[in-house]
Amino acid sequence: GAVVSQHPSWVICKSGTSVKIECRSLDFQATTMFWYRQFPKQSLMLMATSNEGSKATYEQGVEKDKFLINHASLTLSTLTVTSAHPEDSSFYICSAEGTSYGEQFFGPGTRLTVL
Amino acid sequence: GEDVEQSLFLSVREGDSSVINCTYTDSSSTYLYWYKQEPGAGLQLLTYIFSNMDMKQDQRLTVLLNKKDKHLSLRIADTQTGDSAIYFCAETSRDTGRRALTFGSGTRLQVQP
Repeated sequence: GAVVSQHPSWVICKSGTSVKIECRSLDFQATTMFWYRQFPKQSLMLMATSNEGSKATYEQGVEKDKFLINHASLTLSTLTVTSAHPEDSSFYICSAEGTSYGEQFFGPGTRLTVL
Repeated sequence: GEDVEQSLFLSVREGDSSVINCTYTDSSSTYLYWYKQEPGAGLQLLTYIFSNMDMKQDQRLTVLLNKKDKHLSLRIADTQTGDSAIYFCAETSRDTGRRALTFGSGTRLQVQP
């Protein structure tokens, strides 16, 4: 089956620093990837849709200058949280779109803690 | 816009059946999914159903879709302690062209030995 990895699986950083999270499709190519955020005991909320070779589409209320997304290849999308603050602490999950409509393969998630 | 709702918590005894419920906004071409999330882990796709189906069964899992009431359920037969997790209902619709998933709030299933 299709496998999506994320790196790192967890990260702790100081307030004001930037953190990059990678999302890779290991055995298939993904033109489109999605980034979700999950706060403790809450559901997943879509942050942005990442399209290979073009700008990401951000959901309303998500700051594009704070959450930089780069989808430079068909197997890699990165999310950079710039100038991170404690309120950015969350579980970030990516998914890669499959060939069938609605088919998505999820990564294992990255837990970000900002001190 | 799309909206998906679930009850927050369900507790069952080991060996019993579990039924997790979900309601969704109407669409003629909707894909509905059930995902399982264990603590600190990502999402595992359990099963899915298209809106032109009424039921789907896969081993211990049975999905029922009531299109009239916009109601989706997941039944887990012979629930085991390893089934304890959060279960998310999610949808996407061809009509909206939105390919990302809209998730419900998740139902925490607690299985007591």
